[in-house]
Amino acid sequence: AQSVTQPDIHITVSEGASLELRCNYSYGATPYLFWYVQSPGQGLQLLLKYFSGDTLVQGIKGFEAEFKRSQSSFNLRKPSVHWSDAAEYFCAVALTGGGNKLTFGTGTQLKVEL
Amino acid sequence: GAVVSQHPSRVICKSGTSVKIECRSLDFQATTMFWYRQFPKQSLMLMATSNEGSKATYEQGVEKDKFLINHASLTLSTLTVTSAHPEDSSFYICSARDGRASWMLFGSGTQLSVL
Repeated sequence: AQSVTQPDIHITVSEGASLELRCNYSYGATPYLFWYVQSPGQGLQLLLKYFSGDTLVQGIKGFEAEFKRSQSSFNLRKPSVHWSDAAEYFCAVALTGGGNKLTFGTGTQLKVEL
Repeated sequence: GAVVSQHPSRVICKSGTSVKIECRSLDFQATTMFWYRQFPKQSLMLMATSNEGSKATYEQGVEKDKFLINHASLTLSTLTVTSAHPEDSSFYICSARDGRASWMLFGSGTQLSVL
């Protein structure tokens, strides 16, 4: 069965430190890959996406993610975290060619210490 | 720009009553919209796919008679939680894809509390 795994439920980093949130997927083919961020009581905002091409993708708010086919991973990174980055982060996938039906990981709650 | 607008943002109702949640696509038309449910500190679970002009497609385990979906126009889908009970309390989020883009836009969500 298709699945998305975010191994880290909670992560705490100091402001200014680097960040990496992990995401692994299990699909028969390379899917569309997404990272979304959710603030408390809010909907989801797209940070970045990967469809094909360059495996290092840049997103909004200084985030980037790298697709590694051999590891079935799409980890999210940020060189220097800001206090406003504290939120819930979801990795999501959609089947290639489908693009609509998203399967979400369980999410990673990011806490930023000042 | 393209936005998905969801209303209301929060609703409290008595057990046994029905609640309607609206999801509108602004500045684009959406033949398909999606409804998700999210429990506290958990991920989003797809409930159903709303299809304009036809019946919704429900995911396994979702009661279609409990969660009525109507997609009567290209910019509006509604989710009605019928005869709500406390176990229906949850955060409901809709989404739609602007055909000019390749990713899903999400509404701001509706927190439903059933007393």
